[in-house]
Amino acid sequence: QKEVEQNSGPLSVPEGAIASLNCTYSDRVSQSFFWYRQYSGKSPELIMSIYSNGDKEDGRFTAQLNKASQYVSLLIRDSQPSDSATYLCARGGTSYGKLTFGQGTILTVHP
Amino acid sequence: GAGVSQSPSNKVTEKGKDVELRCDPISGHTALYWYRQSLGQGLEFLIYFQGNSAPDKSGLPSDRFSAERTGGSVSTLTIQRTQQEDSAVYLCASSLDRGNYGYTFGSGTRLTVV
Repeated sequence: QKEVEQNSGPLSVPEGAIASLNCTYSDRVSQSFFWYRQYSGKSPELIMSIYSNGDKEDGRFTAQLNKASQYVSLLIRDSQPSDSATYLCARGGTSYGKLTFGQGTILTVHP
Repeated sequence: GAGVSQSPSNKVTEKGKDVELRCDPISGHTALYWYRQSLGQGLEFLIYFQGNSAPDKSGLPSDRFSAERTGGSVSTLTIQRTQQEDSAVYLCASSLDRGNYGYTFGSGTRLTVV
């Protein structure tokens, strides 16, 4: 099992819809989780971090963490074509900050 | 500086040559990471520097790869005797302390070995 696994995608949603991106991880000791957005040809950009079980909202983005079930998700409300990108899930390590990334999910928001 | 700076942005080299990639982290960030991303792939961890501690080299794919960080700031990733499979985007990131608040990535160096 991969350490961090994302729903394979690609995911296509109409403009204005909710995009749901999911990620599972293989260990129970990770304490920090991150979502990065990567536009084609660009480097990843941190958009959300979450450390506690439950939901964390930031504008149109909501991250959800369930440590018991070992999953973290990202919801994008009112999706816009500018949200079209690859979304990378990452989990933090234990004693230091090396992040392990999933393979990414390509999201396309069509007008 | 305001962000993580990497140079060169693009590098084309002949198979068998050595290359050096440079990373200048955000001022005050003590942790520095190198990753690489092959076409259509996720991010592969290479090496991690934290302050004056010994680096974590566990992700380096072979002994042709090495990295150093001078004065706790600028880092250089060196690839000796480059191979075609080394072609990728090499990304540097830095963070405050141990990175558990997320990284800031540089714009990367696209390495093409011909």
